[in-house]
Formats: sequence, structure tokens, C-alpha cells
Amino acid sequence: DAEITQSPRHKITETGRQVTLACHQTWNHNNMFWYRQDLGHGLRLIHYSYGVQDTNKGEVSDGYSVSRSNTEDLPLTLESAASSQTSVYFCASSPGRDSPEYFGPGTRLTVT
Amino acid sequence: DQQVKQNSPSLSVQEGRISILNCDYTNSMFDYFLWYKKYPAEGPTFLISISSIKDKNEDGRFTVFLNKSAKHLSLHIVPSQPGDSAVYFCAASAQLYSGNTPLVFGKGTRLSVIA
Repeated sequence: DAEITQSPRHKITETGRQVTLACHQTWNHNNMFWYRQDLGHGLRLIHYSYGVQDTNKGEVSDGYSVSRSNTEDLPLTLESAASSQTSVYFCASSPGRDSPEYFGPGTRLTVT
Repeated sequence: DQQVKQNSPSLSVQEGRISILNCDYTNSMFDYFLWYKKYPAEGPTFLISISSIKDKNEDGRFTVFLNKSAKHLSLHIVPSQPGDSAVYFCAASAQLYSGNTPLVFGKGTRLSVIA
């Protein structure tokens, strides 16, 4: 069955470290997204991509980067982790126009 | 400025009754609206959507109503079941020539269905 996976599911890291969260989908969707969920804020968009080599900044992109070298993967990198980046991160994908975004199970990241 | 607002952080409903979750938006460019359901420690799950050319969409126990003039949508769950207890997110996007903009989410409403 086609799906979207995230790894790791849980991660603890130290302030200042570089961290990469993986997102992989097997639906062959062009559109992929990264969100973070924090209490009182709902889901906020970090970065998104509409296809290979395309990346765009979202509402809360500072301190994060993404790259899209193939259709299936959109890794999210925290260049220098900060305690404010402790959050639950969700990856999503969608096939295109007027289609829902389908979410992965999430990665809980703790920055100490 | 919040473009999608869910003003009720929580809602409690008796099993078998109707649950009504509300959502308001401010961006008049939004023309595609969705509801997601989220259980703890899981990703959001798509529930139902509606485009601006309609004012109602129904899928089993779930119905979404859209009032464009009031910039308001609501999700009705009838009858409510204990398994419906979750956080519900309203989301919206705008259709561009190249495709839809990414979803903008509300902060969510926690629904508790009491047996």
C-alpha cells in the first residue's frame, strides 16, 4: 500500500546540533509539506515543495531548510537546533489541485 | 493575523447527539476547505472537504456546510460516537493558476463525546 513515513519517530538532540528529519512517500505525489504542531498554535507551515528541485518557505521557516532531489523524499534539516524548535513535526503530501494533504505519523523532537 | 479561526478550543457532546464544530476565515481568496481529525500521537487524518462552488458536502455521519458570505464553515457529526473524540482542525487554501496554495490551519477544537 502507498504511504507516507517519517523517521525517526522520536529524537532528542542538543542545542546547536544539526538534525535531519526524513519524510518518504510512495504515492508519487508532486506536492510535499512540512508542518510543526505546538500547543496553542495548531499546525504551522515550515517549508513546502511542488516538485523536484522546487522548495518554498512557509510561515515559520527560520532555522530550517529542505531539499527535493526526487519525488519521494523531502528531508527537513535544522541547521543549529534551538530549544524553541522542540515540537512535533508532520510531513504531508498531496497529488495537486483541490486535493487533501495526507499526513505522516509525526516526529517528536526535543532539543535540550 | 490568523486567517483561519476556530474559536472554541473544546466541545463536549453526549453520545448519539449532534456535534457542531465551527470555523471562520478572513481571506476571501480561500476557495477550498477541509476538516481533519487528529488522535494523540498520530498524524492528522483527512475527514471531508468542500469547494466554494458548493454550500454543503456530506459523507456518512459527517456534513460540512459553507457560508461564503459570512466566511464561515461548520462540521456536523450525527450521531456522535465515543470514537469521534479527537482534535478537529479546519483548513483552507486558495486555488491559483498553478495549483492550490498550502493549507492554512486553525488551532483546532477538542471534541469529547461522552457515553
